[in-house]
Amino acid sequence: NAGVMQNPRHLVRRRGQEARLRCSPMKGHSHVYWYRQLPEEGLKFMVYLQKENIIDESGMPKERFSAEFPKEGPSILRIQQVVRGDSAAYFCASSPRDRPYEQYFGPGTRLTVT
Amino acid sequence: DAKTTQPTSMDCAEGRAANLPCNHSTISGNEYVYWYRQIHSQGPQYIIHGLKNNETNEMASLIITEDRKSSTLILPHATLRDTAVYYCIVRVGGATNKLIFGTGTLLAVQP
Repeated sequence: NAGVMQNPRHLVRRRGQEARLRCSPMKGHSHVYWYRQLPEEGLKFMVYLQKENIIDESGMPKERFSAEFPKEGPSILRIQQVVRGDSAAYFCASSPRDRPYEQYFGPGTRLTVT
Repeated sequence: DAKTTQPTSMDCAEGRAANLPCNHSTISGNEYVYWYRQIHSQGPQYIIHGLKNNETNEMASLIITEDRKSSTLILPHATLRDTAVYYCIVRVGGATNKLIFGTGTLLAVQP
């Protein structure tokens, strides 16, 4: 059973460009979560999604950030008009429906904004 | 969510048991204790969880005091690969599923 897949692993964007981060959950997992880890800081929850639904986006910045988990395909975290402060490691996690706190994390996408 | 308190860092000799404490004195009756760890630059890894009974799996044991105000994660035979930041998280079952990570304990396993 493959783990949570994230791609790309490293992403470099210039200020003002868009960043798209993809996450494929573990097989059989219907819940997806995104977390962000800024340099030298702790992990912060961003958003929790189920298929075609955003359940909790309380950690998402109000502007430029959006997330989706379509019926088919991976979950996408989209950052528009990136700024240097968006440089961070973005981790995706998934969990089975009946054990939502057993979250399995992917290797992360390291976004660098130049 | 109940707050947790963990030591900032700990050392452990390779091959010895590592005992990582966590205080959660304001825990409620229906709140679970979860442990995760993050090895440098990797995604966090789920270790174990429990409500009030002690738990053991292939990775670790979790000892929860009878009053549930504290717990200890035990790695029975620490290896160098266990060097990581260990997070103790208290969650309410059934609520929004987000994990709130504190600062954790940096466990350094020494050769």
